[in-house]
Amino acid sequence: GQQVMQIPQYQHVQEGEDFTTYCNSSTTLSNIQWYKQRPGGHPVFLIQLVKSGEVKKQKRLTFQFGEAKKNSSLHITATQTTDVGTYFCAGPSGGGADGLTFGKGTHLIIQP
Amino acid sequence: KAGVTQTPRYLIKTRGQQVTLSCSPISGHRSVSWYQQTPGQGLQFLFEYFSETQRNKGNFPGRFSGRQFSNSRSEMNVSTLELGDSALYLCASSGTSGEYGELFFGEGSRLTVL
Repeated sequence: GQQVMQIPQYQHVQEGEDFTTYCNSSTTLSNIQWYKQRPGGHPVFLIQLVKSGEVKKQKRLTFQFGEAKKNSSLHITATQTTDVGTYFCAGPSGGGADGLTFGKGTHLIIQP
Repeated sequence: KAGVTQTPRYLIKTRGQQVTLSCSPISGHRSVSWYQQTPGQGLQFLFEYFSETQRNKGNFPGRFSGRQFSNSRSEMNVSTLELGDSALYLCASSGTSGEYGELFFGEGSRLTVL
């Protein structure tokens, strides 16, 4: 079945440094979604990318969808303590069926 | 409007018992999906319901089942609990069907099996 891999699993940064997480799918995706889960919380939708090569920005967050629609990245500029959490990418499970396949997430740890 | 509500938030069961978890989606959302989250396996898709019909099922044993009612509320049931079923069970609703729906997650039901 479809697999979605995310790296790194953990990322420690100093506050103010940049952060990037990468997502790779074993199959071409119709779209990719990104979620953030704070410690003790639940996943919260951040964004959806649909077009090949698409780039979207949300303040300090930049999301990219690869040209082949098999990979994606999330880049955070000048991290803040509020950015702490786990960032997940997710793609449709395939076959036209509903349900998302999530990557295992990247845990962002920020040291003040 | 109110978000996705899951009950109970926490529960402890023993092996062999069964458990029923409840989810009330955002008003107007007809799609409800369930995910299991564990530290080792991450977020794994259990099943998805739309208008009382199960449209897709993840790779879980038959001990995991669910249903959706006419008001879009959903329940999932796990029978003959095993230690490995300890997890956070997350319900998510969506206002659209198909592959493009943004998911709104509830806070989850944390199940501990002893």
